[in-house]
Order: sequence, then structure tokens, then C-alpha cells
Amino acid sequence: QKEVEQDPGPLSVPEGAIVSLNCTYSNSAFQYFMWYRQYSRKGPELLMYTYSSGNKEDGRFTAQVDKSSKYISLFIRDSQPSDSATYLCAMSGEGNQGGKLIFGQGTELSVKP
Amino acid sequence: KAGVTQTPRYLIKTRGQQVTLSCSPISGHRSVSWYQQTPGQGLQFLFEYFSETQRNKGNFPGRFSGRQFSNSRSEMNVSTLELGDSALYLCASRNNLAPSSYNEQFFGPGTRLTVL
Repeated sequence: QKEVEQDPGPLSVPEGAIVSLNCTYSNSAFQYFMWYRQYSRKGPELLMYTYSSGNKEDGRFTAQVDKSSKYISLFIRDSQPSDSATYLCAMSGEGNQGGKLIFGQGTELSVKP
Repeated sequence: KAGVTQTPRYLIKTRGQQVTLSCSPISGHRSVSWYQQTPGQGLQFLFEYFSETQRNKGNFPGRFSGRQFSNSRSEMNVSTLELGDSALYLCASRNNLAPSSYNEQFFGPGTRLTVL
């Protein structure tokens, strides 16, 4: 079983829809949670960064972390065709484990005009 | 501020050869991590360097090695290339001395390695 599980999709939604992306994990030592967006043939771009449990909002994006359930989510409101990309969740522990990100498989999202 | 840069962007090698990839972190970032991305395995951690010392290592064979220089630039080397080493190699840097953004990792564009 992988440490981080993410539904690979693909996920197709109409423009303007609310998108929900999720990851589950098994390692209770994870403290830092991130969401990255990766366009084809590009490096991952950091979207959201959260420490421990709670919610964080940035524009159309909201990240949620529920450590008791080992479950994290990313919501995208008013989705746009430019949001079409692969979304990767990533997480790490403290101290010397901080630089070691464990990634989900990525969810491929397509937003149709 | 310039982002993470990686050179070269594309490489074609044959089995048995070795390759060296280079990464320049964001100015002020002293930690550099390397990752391998393949369609089958996704993004996997290779190793992290901080202050010229390897801090952590993933589950890759000894053919994969790295180093970091005093200016925080990093290189990774793969010896005796195998077909399965074909992948996108990504490096990421972070400012692990900043409490508010301790583990924000910023990625470069990657080096796409093809082994024939």
C-alpha cells in the first residue's frame, strides 16, 4: 500500500464547476501538506502549503487538512479551462524528513469551456 | 527573484553511459532535493542536500548520487544507465531556515532524460 493515495482520474468538469480533489495517507508523522499543479512537460508549481490540520484559502483555491482522518482536500471554485492540469498532493514530516516530499499519483483535471 | 534552474533540459544517452544533471536553487535557498518522475511510479524522492551534506536519501540504487557545492548549487549523477532510468528529473529548493515557510519546496522545469 502506498503512503499517499490519490485518485488518478481523469476528471472532466464544465467551466465554472467546483472541483474537489482528495488524498489519503497512512503515515501519522506527516505534518506539512502541499498541493502542486503540473502542466504537461513542466515542473510542479506550488499552489497551497499547510502545516498540520485546518483550512487555508487563496483566491479560488481552498485546502483542507483533517489529520484525525488522514485526509486532505483541495477545492477549486469557478474552475477555468486554464486550470486543466495534473494536481499532485504532497506531504512530509518534521526535521530531517522535511525535505522529503511524498507525492500522490496525481489527478488529471480537464475543464471544458 | 529567479526560480530554480536546471540544465540541461533534455538529454539522450545510451545504456551503460553516465550522466550529470545540474540544479541552481532560488537565491537564498540552501536546501536542494531531487526527484524522479515517471508515468508508472510518479514522483519519487531521490535525496536532499543542505550545507553540502546529504540529509536524506530515498530508495534508489547506489548508481544515483549527488553533491552540493558551497554556493548551494547541486548536481546529481547516474552511472551505468539503464533503460528504466528514462524519466523527468526534478530538483526543488527550499528555505529551511525560514520558520513560516520551512518546507515550501519550489521546483525547477526538470531535465528529461531518455536512455536508448
